[in-house]
Amino acid sequence: GAGVSQSPRYKVTKRGQDVALRCDPISGHVSLYWYRQALGQGPEFLTYFNYEAQQDKSGLPNDRFSAERPEGSISTLTIQRTEQRDSAMYRCASSLASEGWEGYQPQHFGDGTRLSIL
Amino acid sequence: QKEVEQNSGPLSVPEGAIASLNCTYSDRGSQSFFWYRQYSGKSPELIMSIYSNGDKEDGRFTAQLNKASQYVSLLIRDSQPSDSATYLCAVNGAQKLVFGQGTRLTINP
Repeated sequence: GAGVSQSPRYKVTKRGQDVALRCDPISGHVSLYWYRQALGQGPEFLTYFNYEAQQDKSGLPNDRFSAERPEGSISTLTIQRTEQRDSAMYRCASSLASEGWEGYQPQHFGDGTRLSIL
Repeated sequence: QKEVEQNSGPLSVPEGAIASLNCTYSDRGSQSFFWYRQYSGKSPELIMSIYSNGDKEDGRFTAQLNKASQYVSLLIRDSQPSDSATYLCAVNGAQKLVFGQGTRLTINP
C-alpha cells in the first residue's frame, strides 16, 4: 500500500490478556518506529528498528512490552498481561534511512491501533 | 522541564489572518525539526521540516528555526477553516522524535 498500515484499528481486550499490534511500513522504508499517544498529548516514543535490528527500546514502559521486526519489514508490538493503564492509541511510523542522515528523514505515521483494556 | 514545549491553546484566529505557533526545545544537540498537523481522530500528518537556522516557506506555511534560542515556529498565512487542527512540534534526538503536547488551532470563519 501507499502508506503505513496498522492492524487492527481497534482492539478491546480484558485485563491480563496478551495483545499483538501489527505495523506494515511504507515500501522501501528502512526505519520503523512505535509511539504511544494519550488523548490530548503528542506521541511518545517507544522503540525503533533499522531493518530488523532494534536500535533503541528505551521508551518501552516495562518488560511486558516487546517488539520485533524479524525480516526487516512488518513489525509486531506485543503487550503481555495487559493492564488498564496500557489503554491508548499505538502509532507506527516509518522513514527512509540514508546512512548518516537518519535523523533528518521525516517519519510518516499510520492510522494507529486504539487499544482498550477492560 | 519538558523536552519540547508548546502552548496547548486553544488558539483562535480569524479566517484570512496569520496563525503563529511556537515551540521551544531543551536539547541543544537537536538537528532536525518537524511540524505535524493532526485532525481530531486522525494520524499526525507531516507538513514542514526544517534543519537550518532561518525561514523555510512552503505555500501558506513558513517554518522558522533559531537554534541559539532553541525555538521553532510555524506561521500559517491566509488561515482557512480547514487549517483548524492540533499542530505538533517534533524534534529529532538520536533518530527518535520527541513531540510537544500540541497546540489546538481554531480558524473562525
